[in-house]
This record gives sequence, structure tokens and C-alpha cells, in this order.
Amino acid sequence: DTEVTQTPKHLVMGMTNKKSLKCEQHMGHRAMYWYKQKAKKPPELMFVYSYEKLSINESVPSRFSPECPNSSLLNLHLHALQPEDSALYLCASSQVNMGFTNEKLFFGSGTQLSVL
Amino acid sequence: DAKTTQPPSMDCAEGRAANLPCNHSTISGNEYVYWYRQIHSQGPQYIIHGLKNNETNEMASLIITEDRKSSTLILPHATLRDTAVYYCIVRTNFGNEKLTFGTGTRLTIIP
Repeated sequence: DTEVTQTPKHLVMGMTNKKSLKCEQHMGHRAMYWYKQKAKKPPELMFVYSYEKLSINESVPSRFSPECPNSSLLNLHLHALQPEDSALYLCASSQVNMGFTNEKLFFGSGTQLSVL
Repeated sequence: DAKTTQPPSMDCAEGRAANLPCNHSTISGNEYVYWYRQIHSQGPQYIIHGLKNNETNEMASLIITEDRKSSTLILPHATLRDTAVYYCIVRTNFGNEKLTFGTGTRLTIIP
């Protein structure tokens, strides 16, 4: 199984809503990532978890709250988002070798988020 | 600052070899060259990576110049399914360095 599964595929939410994005992998990877991708732009890194601990936060606003409850799951909790947060949110995973994240990332197909 | 420079778009006839160039003139000795691609409505997909020797796998070949300032990704027999945005990335394999995507090349395979 080399899949990273993201749910939901599409999400529409209002600015006062609270929602969560979910990501799951069963490849035994111990690093997981959230990327944000605006239309016609490259993906931008948001967060990295290594061994279920947050290792990189790219100065992401607190209205985005990541969570890694176990080695297979990664969540992104959303609250009080703005319309400019509308984007494709991509989850990825990779192996960790000798404490270092591996260069080969496996990506999910993303959640297309629209904030109204 | 962008570490790589790629043409914004390219076309290639189906069945021909697609050669995608990438300039990385400021690459340092411990940085690898990675290629990913992103097909429409999907997440990026790892293709290949290398340090200084040419590399080949089931998807593509990577040719790195001797001075390592540029490289070329070769898709030997392009199909319509190879239409995608191709990203060239340089990154060390030390620590937890981020995988940072540049603007990439939009490759269109023409029937």
C-alpha cells in the first residue's frame, strides 16, 4: 500500500465554521506533512511532523491547527478561516532514516477547500 | 530565493523523448537534484533524484552536468499521461531540510 488518503476531497465552509481535514497512510512512514497550494502556484510547506512531534511550522496562522494523533494519522483543524485560505491542501508522508526525513515524499490527492 | 530555474512551459510530441532542463547554478556540494511532477487534480509524485552521477529508473533518466550547474530530466517515450507540471528541486539530505517547490515546467504532450 503506497497510498496517502485524504478526506474529504472537497470542503466548503463559512468563516465561522470549524472543520477538520484528515490524512492517513499505512506505509509505516514516521514523517508527515501539510502543504498548501493556491491555483496555478507550487505547493507551499505548512507543517512537518516527525515521530508524531511537530518539527517544522512555517509561521502558519493559528487558525490552522495540526494534530498527529498516531503514526498513521494527520489532521488539520480549521477555525475562523478567511476566503484567501481557499486552496488545495496536500498531505504527504515519508520515511525517517537515522532521524532525518527522507527525500521521497508520497502525496495524497488533496482536499480542495473553499471558504465563503 | 529560487535555487532552480526552469522554462515555464514546453510541448512534446507523443512517443518522442521529452527533455526538461533545469538550471541550478548555485548548487552546493551536498545538495541533491530532485524531480517531482504534478498531474492535474493530483498531488505531486516523486520521479527521480541524483547527486552527480546520471540516474535512471522506470520512469525517467536524470542527466547532471559535470559542473552540476544544470540537469535534464528525460522521459524517453512521452505519453499523454505525462502531461503535468514538472518540478526541479535542490535539497541536501541532511537534517530535516524542507522540500521547497519552485514554479516548475508545464509539459504538454501533443497527440
